[in-house]
Amino acid sequence: DQQVKQNSPSLSVQEGRISILNCDYTNSMFDYFLWYKKYPAEGPTFLISISSIKDKNEDGRFTVFLNKSAKHLSLHIVPSQPGDSAVYFCAASNSGGGADGLTFGKGTHLIIQP
Amino acid sequence: NAGVMQNPRHLVRRRGQEARLRCSPMKGHSHVYWYRQLPEEGLKFMVYLQKENIIDESGMPKERFSAEFPKEGPSILRIQQVVRGDSAAYFCASSLAGGLTDTQYFGPGTRLTVL
Repeated sequence: DQQVKQNSPSLSVQEGRISILNCDYTNSMFDYFLWYKKYPAEGPTFLISISSIKDKNEDGRFTVFLNKSAKHLSLHIVPSQPGDSAVYFCAASNSGGGADGLTFGKGTHLIIQP
Repeated sequence: NAGVMQNPRHLVRRRGQEARLRCSPMKGHSHVYWYRQLPEEGLKFMVYLQKENIIDESGMPKERFSAEFPKEGPSILRIQQVVRGDSAAYFCASSLAGGLTDTQYFGPGTRLTVL
């Protein structure tokens, strides 16, 4: 069963525009969420995280929004740059129990068009 | 400050052989996590270790897979009698303090191919 879902396998955005990547989760015990970026043949790189006590966290061009009632989070990248082309993974955890690892979605391949 | 190191980067084994994957955490990190990524899938948690201890192996297959993180040296993920379904990318991550709100830093992965 897929507890973290990224329903868009790929997304194409023009350079300079906003990229919005979406993620849904089913486990209501998840209380900490992260986004990782991954280039081919490399490991995932941490981008940004958010705790369930917040609904927004911003870091430079990256903002993550959390809607707990909808069990939905999104990553906004603005403005999008060519170097943002990568696979983006949403991940979640239950800091109060459960497995000690992160639960990942399948990823969304973001392509920034010049 | 060197990041998480994994070797080998690529490993080819025939069915029935053993695979040993190594992970050296970031300097100062004593918490190691192993994940597996099958083709077209997300990363799946396998095991969480601290020095000399397995803390959580709830994601490890019950047979053929084992992990260790000795007092000295890298963490090792060992797969005995490999089968084709073990072909995947195996990623190691380390963190400073453990706990799921402590950032996990990933290595470049080992790509295992079973012929």
